[in-house]
Amino acid sequence: GAVVSQHPSWVICKSGTSVKIECRSLDFQATTMFWYRQFPKQSLMLMATSNEGSKATYEQGVEKDKFLINHASLTLSTLTVTSAHPEDSSFYICSARAFSGASGTQYFGPGTRLLVL
Amino acid sequence: EDKVVQSPLSLVVHEGDTVTLNCSYEVTNFRSLLWYKQEKKAPTFLFMLTSSGIEKKSGRLSSILDKKELFSILNITATQTGDSAVYLCAVEARGNNRLAFGKGNQVVVIP
Repeated sequence: GAVVSQHPSWVICKSGTSVKIECRSLDFQATTMFWYRQFPKQSLMLMATSNEGSKATYEQGVEKDKFLINHASLTLSTLTVTSAHPEDSSFYICSARAFSGASGTQYFGPGTRLLVL
Repeated sequence: EDKVVQSPLSLVVHEGDTVTLNCSYEVTNFRSLLWYKQEKKAPTFLFMLTSSGIEKKSGRLSSILDKKELFSILNITATQTGDSAVYLCAVEARGNNRLAFGKGNQVVVIP
């Protein structure tokens, strides 16, 4: 159980286009999902926390108009990178929080590699 | 600000060796500590620890938490080349559900 999927796994796009990444919890409901980005040989950097039915909470330094997050249902959150530029090229990973009593475990999707030319 | 420090940052061992990875943390209102394994893709979940002194075990991997001294260790016994990965430690605080990650322990197991 506790499987999280992401789509697409790879994206190559031209500068200026927008890219949408989907994150789904397949066998559990997640009221909270998280979006991270990871640069080579670095740890995960939290971008935003996505709560079902409400606005996302962005980390300091992350532009909310650049990285649009929508959490439309208990199993789906989307991240749209608007007007992507080469510096947005990165590995984007989502996670979904599954509850077990008072504690929850975050399970990660397989990630999306974005390359902006 | 929550802080997670992992050591050693990288190590190389031979197959069959035992590896001990350390994670120390400072967090306000601690809820849990999690270990993940990351190879070329996204992290895969290993353990979640919430109580001191209770060892969690999965095959050749085990982990324990000390909430008094604020650290956790992850042990890998009889290492295999498939254990080569970055092992990430993260802590979760009550209230915001966010994870603060350490920089990871990169483990390379050579035949």
